[in-house]
Amino acid sequence: DTEVTQTPKHLVMGMTNKKSLKCEQHMGHRAMYWYKQKAKKPPELMFVYSYEKLSINESVPSRFSPECPNSSLLNLHLHALQPEDSALYLCASSQDRHGEQYFGPGTRLTVT
Amino acid sequence: AQSVSQHNHHVILSEAASLELGCNYSYGGTVNLFWYVQYPGQHLQLLLKYFSGDPLVKGIKGFEAEFIKSKFSFNLRKPSVQWSDTAEYFCAVSSTSNTGKLIFGQGTTLQVKP
Repeated sequence: DTEVTQTPKHLVMGMTNKKSLKCEQHMGHRAMYWYKQKAKKPPELMFVYSYEKLSINESVPSRFSPECPNSSLLNLHLHALQPEDSALYLCASSQDRHGEQYFGPGTRLTVT
Repeated sequence: AQSVSQHNHHVILSEAASLELGCNYSYGGTVNLFWYVQYPGQHLQLLLKYFSGDPLVKGIKGFEAEFIKSKFSFNLRKPSVQWSDTAEYFCAVSSTSNTGKLIFGQGTTLQVKP
């Protein structure tokens, strides 16, 4: 099973809302990632978790808050987002930080 | 800083034509190399990868890529494309030391005409 699942598939939120994106994998991978992808652009790395600890934060604004409750789950908490944050948010996982990354289908986020 | 350059932004081919997409990277150390594909409305899928060993790697769906260290290149090839290969193709690089950080090229849109 090489599947990474993400919920919800679509999310529309206002600038004052608080919401969370969820990501799950059951491949026993110990590294998990959040990416942001704008239309017709490559994914941009946001965060890397390794063994449930945050190892890379690519200078992401604090209105994005990642959380790794256990080795299978990764959350992205959203608060006070801006319209320019509208994008496809991708989760990925890999065996460890050296391995190939498997991507989920993403959450299409629209901030109104 | 690491960077990845894909020279072809938009490629249009007829079915059965041969494909080669260029990818060059900038990094002085040891790297891992990947090609990902994103079909319309679908998620990113790994086509193939290079970590070490034989520089000619074969992936899924008849794709292959060749790592040429002296040219910092990892070009993707397919001898005969199909309409179903229409997609966005991304080359990506990670440093074996700066682990976890995957740097993507800008992508190449491939359109295959039936």
